[in-house]
Amino acid sequence: NAGVTQTPKFRVLKTGQSMTLLCAQDMNHEYMYWYRQDPGMGLRLIHYSVGEGTTAKGEVPDGYNVSRLKKQNFLLGLESAAPSQTSVYFCASSGLASGSIDTQYFGPGTRLTVL
Amino acid sequence: GQNIDQPTEMTATEGAIVQINCTYQTSGFNGLFWYQQHAGEAPTFLSYNVLDGLEEKGRFSSFLSRSKGYSYLLLKELQMKDSASYLCAVRVSGGSYIPTFGRGTSLIVHP
Repeated sequence: NAGVTQTPKFRVLKTGQSMTLLCAQDMNHEYMYWYRQDPGMGLRLIHYSVGEGTTAKGEVPDGYNVSRLKKQNFLLGLESAAPSQTSVYFCASSGLASGSIDTQYFGPGTRLTVL
Repeated sequence: GQNIDQPTEMTATEGAIVQINCTYQTSGFNGLFWYQQHAGEAPTFLSYNVLDGLEEKGRFSSFLSRSKGYSYLLLKELQMKDSASYLCAVRVSGGSYIPTFGRGTSLIVHP
């Protein structure tokens, strides 16, 4: 049981390049999330998904796209990277949210630098 | 929206007790989480409060007062390994039920 995994762990991009971050979970969770974490800013929600085939915008969605074609996978795409997207990206998953403790389980993070 | 406030940084001595506060302003409160995050690592779940009162888990306890919009995390018998960031997250009912995180409190434990 690997929990939540993310690939890659590190990446350096040039401005304007594109890339996809992959998140996978083996806990059969319905909800998946992408966050970015910047110094002094805490965790900010980029996009989330409440089930296979569904996605929704979070607090800071601009410049990112996501897809959830399979329940266990949640992809985060950067179509044209900008230096402002330099950050640590965390994926998380949780079970059905309403009325339960529904702890979020986080992946190890991806450190992205955009030059 | 939600407004969640935590101190940016705290320091404490090994063996001591420290209290990390979290205040929030929100409507439709549906639970408060505390997570621990060591430098360079992922956040991990510590505690959850949805009713008023104290929840104790070993050296860690978490308290909630819904009427005051206030929670604290209490760490006893501090150890060096407790040096980490502590994140408060609040969930509201209705809509997505997704918690919103505060900016976190960096705790430094020194000998």
